[in-house]
Amino acid sequence: SFELTQPPSVSVSPGQTARITCSGDALPKQYAYWYQQKPGQAPVLVIYKDSERPSGIPERFSGSSSGTTVTLTISGVQTEDEADYYCQSADSSNTYVFGTGTKVTVL
Amino acid sequence: EVQLVESGGGLVKPGGSLRLSCAASGFTFSSYSMNWVRQAPGKGLEWVSSISFSTSYIYYADSVKGRFTVSRDNAKNSLYLQMNSLRAEDTAVYYCARDHCNGGSCYAGIDYWGQGTLVTVSS
Repeated sequence: SFELTQPPSVSVSPGQTARITCSGDALPKQYAYWYQQKPGQAPVLVIYKDSERPSGIPERFSGSSSGTTVTLTISGVQTEDEADYYCQSADSSNTYVFGTGTKVTVL
Repeated sequence: EVQLVESGGGLVKPGGSLRLSCAASGFTFSSYSMNWVRQAPGKGLEWVSSISFSTSYIYYADSVKGRFTVSRDNAKNSLYLQMNSLRAEDTAVYYCARDHCNGGSCYAGIDYWGQGTLVTVSS
């Protein structure tokens, strides 16, 4: 299977923009998903199919894709956005792969 | 409202067995592929296994292949994970998770997660 690489941490001030990248060779062929996980809680889907936002997810969350990299952008970061974020995709044998995870700290 | 409730976790000795269950409600369980995903303490997410809605397709991570068996009972809206030959590295919170379907198509992603059940493998 393949790997998805994310930066370990991103720090941002309230109201600023946070960008989290996820890189992997299989990303041009498969959709990417993004999940937010707060301490002691289950993950929550925030972006699906690279750039679609589920109902109930604030508009400040957006996703984009370019080649072997997908990006989760949080515009106008709020303190409640402090969490771990994971990207996820799948390979041709239907094996799901999660990214290494990024801890977003709101300073 | 979609609900996924896991049960069956606990403390087990290395080499032992455990069976996890996931009770689903709030959606047509028999129409969705389901997954097990785990998270070791302080670590990231790791996909464990998937099972299609009709059980025709079943997949496992290499780390559990040959030791874990996924199954489902659509009549009981339930998903299961039989875990044998458990190792210390299997210690984790195990999540039951639903595949994402939208507009009549399903995709290799997850839209709903349970709250998880903790499995601890230790002597």
